Amino acid sequence: GQQLNQSPQSMFIQEGEDVSMNCTSSSIFNTWLWYKQDPGEGPVLLIALYKAGELTSNGRLTAQFGITRKDSFLNISASIPSDVGIYFCAGRGGAQKLVFGQGTRLTINP
Amino acid sequence: DAGVIQSPRHEVTEMGQEVTLRCKPISGHDYLFWYRQTMMRGLELLIYFNNNVPIDDSGMPEDRFSAKMPNASFSTLKIQPSEPRDSAVYFCASNKPGTPRMQFFGPGTRLTVL
Repeated sequence: GQQLNQSPQSMFIQEGEDVSMNCTSSSIFNTWLWYKQDPGEGPVLLIALYKAGELTSNGRLTAQFGITRKDSFLNISASIPSDVGIYFCAGRGGAQKLVFGQGTRLTINP
Repeated sequence: DAGVIQSPRHEVTEMGQEVTLRCKPISGHDYLFWYRQTMMRGLELLIYFNNNVPIDDSGMPEDRFSAKMPNASFSTLKIQPSEPRDSAVYFCASNKPGTPRMQFFGPGTRLTVL
């Protein structure tokens, strides 16, 4: 079945630093989504990407849909304490099912 | 607008008991999804509905799990009998109609089976 490899699994950074994480797939996706999950809450959609090569920003967040349609990255610029959480990528190949990456746990030292 | 609503937020039960989790999707959304999240397996899709009809239940672990959607504003996920390995956070999500489709998640139900 379809699998997503998300890296890194965890990140420990200083406040103000930029963050980069990515996902790669063994198969082609038509849609890439990036979610953030805070402790005790459900994932919240951050950015959605629909076309190969698409680059989309949401405030300090920027995500890109890879040209090969098998990868995506998420960048966070000038990190702040509220960026702490677990970030998930998700891909949709067909129908309505999403495949989720394992998550990247972001920890920020003030 | 109200988001996806799930109840209860926390459930602690004993092995062998029946557990029912509830979900109210966002009004107007036509797809509803049930996920399970564990440390070991991450987020797993259990089942999803379109217009109240189950479309794909291939993720349902076994016959002890069942899900229903009697109308557009309510769905249940039932586990009977429950086992300790069912302990997880269960999320409900719904999809807004049209393209592009995006799934919006509820706050989850943390289930502990003793």
